[in-house]
Amino acid sequence: SAVISQKPSRDICQRGTSLTIQCQVDSQVTMMFWYRQQPGQSLTLIATANQGSEATYESGFVIDKFPISRPNLTFSTLTVSNLSPEDSSIYLCSGDRVGQTQYFGPGTRLLVL
Amino acid sequence: ELKVEQNPLFLSMQEGKNYTIYCNYSTTSDRLYWYRQDPGKSLESLFVLLSNGAVKQEGRLMASLDTKARLSTLHITAAVHDLSATYFCAPYAGGTSYGKLTFGQGTILTVHP
Repeated sequence: SAVISQKPSRDICQRGTSLTIQCQVDSQVTMMFWYRQQPGQSLTLIATANQGSEATYESGFVIDKFPISRPNLTFSTLTVSNLSPEDSSIYLCSGDRVGQTQYFGPGTRLLVL
Repeated sequence: ELKVEQNPLFLSMQEGKNYTIYCNYSTTSDRLYWYRQDPGKSLESLFVLLSNGAVKQEGRLMASLDTKARLSTLHITAAVHDLSATYFCAPYAGGTSYGKLTFGQGTILTVHP
């Protein structure tokens, strides 16, 4: 199975600040994605992290609020900008291995005060 | 836009009983994933169903896929307490949306003695 790690595992932030989440995957993953899971809810795809180019965002998510980088095949960051309490969620990165499953990282639990 | 409906959303079962969770989706998809999520944890991949008529079994869980009916099922046989968790189905968008998953609402399963 693919190994996916995320940092930080949790954080408490003040409104108006930003949080950057790091995701490291092993070398056999081809695609990387970022999801949000609001409390008690299902997962919603934020964007596809494209290596060396701008991420592809889903409807309702914009680059100014959720800038994403993927400088190489195995690493990506998601920044949640200008935080508000509504951003309190779990943020998960995932890696897709061709012909296999999509693996998820342990998640980053964000609380905005 | 791919829409996914799971039912039931809440399932309370007695140990030893059988039950089925249903996952209906709105547009063509030839691949579907099932995940398990324990409270406070990330997602664990259970099954990847890659074609019409695919059936996979692991322990007390069996998943199937009918792409013509746009339906997947997760059957639980002789439930045990350890199966208590939230179960998500996620059809794969396909086409130019490689790797993108759309998640169902989740089914919260509680198994009682």
